[in-house]
Amino acid sequence: GEDVEQSLFLSVREGDSSVINCTYTDSSSTYLYWYKQEPGAGLQLLTYIFSNMDMKQDQRLTVLLNKKDKHLSLRIADTQTGDSAIYFCAEFGANAGKSTFGDGTTLTVKP
Amino acid sequence: EPEVTQTPSHQVTQMGQEVILRCVPISNHLYFYWYRQILGQKVEFLVSFYNNEISEKSEIFDDKFSVERPDGSNFTLKIRSTKLEDSAMYFCASSDSFSPYGYTFGSGTRLTVV
Repeated sequence: GEDVEQSLFLSVREGDSSVINCTYTDSSSTYLYWYKQEPGAGLQLLTYIFSNMDMKQDQRLTVLLNKKDKHLSLRIADTQTGDSAIYFCAEFGANAGKSTFGDGTTLTVKP
Repeated sequence: EPEVTQTPSHQVTQMGQEVILRCVPISNHLYFYWYRQILGQKVEFLVSFYNNEISEKSEIFDDKFSVERPDGSNFTLKIRSTKLEDSAMYFCASSDSFSPYGYTFGSGTRLTVV
């Protein structure tokens, strides 16, 4: 079945850039998403990218997609302490009609 | 901005009881989903619903689970004979097309089975 893999932890200093990586297996993926989850809270959609795009930029967020390698990354520029959270990569597979999530990457931003 | 609304935000129930989790999807959306997140684990797909019937379900979604769209606005998840391991955050989502440009999650219902 479909699988999405992420590294579990990332620690950066305030002001640095953060890069969170994700790989997926479903070649029918049409949309790839990044969600942010703060402790005890729901899923906040940060950004998404359509599978025929290579890059999407939205303010401090840059998403890069390498469709050949099925690799997705999220870059957060000028990371702030408020960015500390769990970040989930997810893909929506047109064949499956559902989203598959990664395990989530816990981002810790140190002052 | 349109939202998916879930109620209650937190539900506590005794083992063996039945619970109903409620969701109000975005009004013009046609596709509805339930996902589950056990504490500290990944978000898992449970079921998708379209045209008043289940279109896909995972192996988690066994006979103790059921979904319903009783009145054209609410979308409910019923869990019968709850067990401790059903404790989780349950997320509802809706989208306006099969390729979900407008795929939106609710803020979740935390279910605690005691």
